[in-house]
Amino acid sequence: TQLLEQSPQFLSIQEGENLTVYCNSSSVFSSLQWYRQEPGEGPVLLVTVVTGGEVKKLKRLTFQFGDARKDSSLHITAAQPGDTGLYLCAVSYTGGFKTIFGAGTRLFVKA
Amino acid sequence: EAQVTQNPRYLITVTGKKLTVTCSQNMNHEYMSWYRQDPGLGLRQIYYSMNVEVTDKGDVPEGYKVSRKEKRNFPLILESPSPNQTSLYFCASSLWVGAEQYFGPGTRLTVT
Repeated sequence: TQLLEQSPQFLSIQEGENLTVYCNSSSVFSSLQWYRQEPGEGPVLLVTVVTGGEVKKLKRLTFQFGDARKDSSLHITAAQPGDTGLYLCAVSYTGGFKTIFGAGTRLFVKA
Repeated sequence: EAQVTQNPRYLITVTGKKLTVTCSQNMNHEYMSWYRQDPGLGLRQIYYSMNVEVTDKGDVPEGYKVSRKEKRNFPLILESPSPNQTSLYFCASSLWVGAEQYFGPGTRLTVT
């Protein structure tokens, strides 16, 4: 069982549609990060959320940290082909100083 | 340019032949990690290092070794590689644990 459960695992949508992906856990975290990974490259940080209930916006991307700091969501408005990639959530300070990633949501946006 | 470099980018080897994947960062970061990425499993941390001479196991350390003799370098050693270590490997660094991680370009390893 993974500490971080991401859903859906795969999402294929048309350009212009909205979507939400989720990162869930039964554990409480001090902070949570979202990364995006494009094919052939390493992940790149999108955002870090720290406060329960926090909402952060990055252009068309909206990130929310659950009130209880156990879960997070990423909402993309009017998706574009450039949003295609693997979206990963990650937490640290679990079991010492480890960093744990979810399995990711693979998004494909068709033009 | 601030970056994390890994070498080699691609490696095909045979079972049991010792290999080392190098990782270097030029950002004076304290925290460095090695991850492996397999389809459907995301990134799994192999080892991490809080600072020079301070290393600890991640979630999947079996079959791997690391060292941190200098702050900038964090090599990954496979003493006796096996086919189940075929994977895509990433090195990453950050100012401290929990801070933004900067990833290297990845090393695709195939063990036959």
